Amino acid sequence: AQSVTQLGSHVSVSEGALVLLRCNYSSSVPPYLFWYVQYPNQGLQLLLKYTTGATLVKGINGFEAEFKKSETSFHLTKPSAHMSDAAEYFCAVRAPITGNQFYFGTGTSLTVIP
Amino acid sequence: DSGVTQTPKHLITATGQRVTLRCSPRSGDLSVYWYQQSLDQGLQFLIQYYNGEERAKGNILERFSAQQFPDLHSELNLSSLELGDSALYFCASSAGQGYGYTFGSGTRLTVV
Repeated sequence: AQSVTQLGSHVSVSEGALVLLRCNYSSSVPPYLFWYVQYPNQGLQLLLKYTTGATLVKGINGFEAEFKKSETSFHLTKPSAHMSDAAEYFCAVRAPITGNQFYFGTGTSLTVIP
Repeated sequence: DSGVTQTPKHLITATGQRVTLRCSPRSGDLSVYWYQQSLDQGLQFLIQYYNGEERAKGNILERFSAQQFPDLHSELNLSSLELGDSALYFCASSAGQGYGYTFGSGTRLTVV
């Protein structure tokens, strides 16, 4: 079975500060991992994904995430927050062998303080 | 524009009624997924279709049904609507297992 835990339903950072959104997963098989962003009244947009290969993946808008198998984590980071980063962020896991379904975390709402 | 089209964008209806939500996947994508997003439940997987066939079922109520047509568009039918069915309903399509979902912008359903 697969599941995702996002620590912190609300995160606030100052503009220009480091953004760190935490995601831990549970998967019985090597997973594919994703981060999505949702702006108000919009659908979810793919930020980045890890499938195989390099464990540090870079996404859009300056975000990156590192797959750490030993910690079962896939935390999302951005060195310097921008006001436009304020949104809801979802981590998701997909088990390529056992099925196609995505399992989403409960989301983290990011607030950027000017 | 993500390439996944959902209609209508907004829907207001009364309890007990039936509605149909429509989704056209991104060109070339054979899989369509339906999700319900509500404040208390978060993103809940409802059902997946692949090339016209049901592939996986999640937390979909018996009052809800879906289908995917030969042209690959999909419809989600919600019947005997209750106040608690008010939510954002998302459709997503995927090109395959190694790819992420591409989401539509959703249909906001309000049951009054």
